[in-house]
Amino acid sequence: GQNIDQPTEMTATEGAIVQINCTYQTSGFNGLFWYQQHAGEAPTFLSYNVLDGLEEKGRFSSFLSRSKGYSYLLLKELQMKDSASYLCAVSNAGNMLTFGGGTRLMVKP
Amino acid sequence: ETGVTQSPTHLIKTRGQQVTLRCSSQSGHNTVSWYQQALGQGPQFIFQYYREEENGRGNFPPRFSGLQFPNYSSELNVNALELDDSALYLCASSKGGYADTQYFGPGTRLTVL
Repeated sequence: GQNIDQPTEMTATEGAIVQINCTYQTSGFNGLFWYQQHAGEAPTFLSYNVLDGLEEKGRFSSFLSRSKGYSYLLLKELQMKDSASYLCAVSNAGNMLTFGGGTRLMVKP
Repeated sequence: ETGVTQSPTHLIKTRGQQVTLRCSSQSGHNTVSWYQQALGQGPQFIFQYYREEENGRGNFPPRFSGLQFPNYSSELNVNALELDDSALYLCASSKGGYADTQYFGPGTRLTVL
């Protein structure tokens, strides 16, 4: 079966750093994606990890440990516009995405 | 902007009716995946089309069906609508390669009354 867990909600302060965790148990693994979704909008691609380690992209970084079934998304220098839902998704055979429930991040001044 | 478009933006139907949703993929992409996203939840995979053939299906009943056309645009059809079908329907296009990034369209908000 497929199971992807991430916290439902998080709150952080503008300018701070926040880490959003994702744990997964899936029957196949071709990599892990992070998407950002603002309310009422489409998910937009943030990052992709297939090998263990950290991928850095500007203010956003994503980490993967395949042996632990664990990933996190790190957001630095938080801005108000980062208030959104963050979706963790595992790609399996055929590149079909299984998503977690999403983490709603609220950034406060 | 991903270049993936969907129509219509919003739709209201009544229980038992049928609906067709449309998706145009990004230029150069030959794979379209459809997802259902209920309010407050993550998207759930419905099915995927690769070069006009169904390439995989999630845990959805047969009344959810689809098509992909030679230009790689796609349709999602839902028959015998139920109240629980109310959701945001997202399509995503990709190049069809190994774990290729999927780019999402803006979605169609379906309300079933």
